[in-house]
Amino acid sequence: SYVLTQPPSVSVAPGQTARITCGGNNIGSKSVHWYQQKPGQAPVLVVYDDSDRPSGIPERFSGSNSGNTATLTISRVEAGDEADYYCQVWDSSSDLLWVFGGGTKLTVL
Amino acid sequence: EVQLVQSGAEVKKPGESLKISCKGSGYSFTSYWIGWVRQMPGKGLEWMGIIYPGDSDTRYSPSFQGQVTISADKSISTAYLQWSSLKASDTAMYYCARRWGDGYTYYFDYWGQGTLVTVSS
Repeated sequence: SYVLTQPPSVSVAPGQTARITCGGNNIGSKSVHWYQQKPGQAPVLVVYDDSDRPSGIPERFSGSNSGNTATLTISRVEAGDEADYYCQVWDSSSDLLWVFGGGTKLTVL
Repeated sequence: EVQLVQSGAEVKKPGESLKISCKGSGYSFTSYWIGWVRQMPGKGLEWMGIIYPGDSDTRYSPSFQGQVTISADKSISTAYLQWSSLKASDTAMYYCARRWGDGYTYYFDYWGQGTLVTVSS
């Protein structure tokens, strides 16, 4: 089945830009979706279809996807952005339809 | 407003059965697939399975096939996840979520608040 690889942790100072990667074989040919999960809360969709934002998600959240890497970019990072972030693809070629990455803990220094 | 409201936390013993629920509101419950996602303590998200409440068509992740049963009662807009014999390793938070997508790709746009299941002797 398809595998998504994320770095376990990313650290960034407030006001800086955080980039969280999601690696997969030819992931650029798939649509990638990103979820934010704050401690004790359910996941929230922050980016879908590589780079679109649901209503209510700040423009500071953006995404890109090419080759073997998709990236979630958070500009002007705030303390409230500290959370776990998960990438996800839909893999119609296998029985494991929804594939999640292992998650990345974003720490705001 | 779309809402998925899950049943409360459960504490069970190994070998016991359990059925947790997820009630949808604010949209046509029978028109959208509902998925279940497991999160073990301190770990990531794992897709378990999904059901279409309109006709109860169900798909399971290979890791969970035969381990759980997913069902729905469209008359009360509720999806269920059940175990016939719990194990300590079933201790986790379980989320339901609504599927959205365009046929090329799918994701979960709304999530329930989660149900914590603790299995301990």
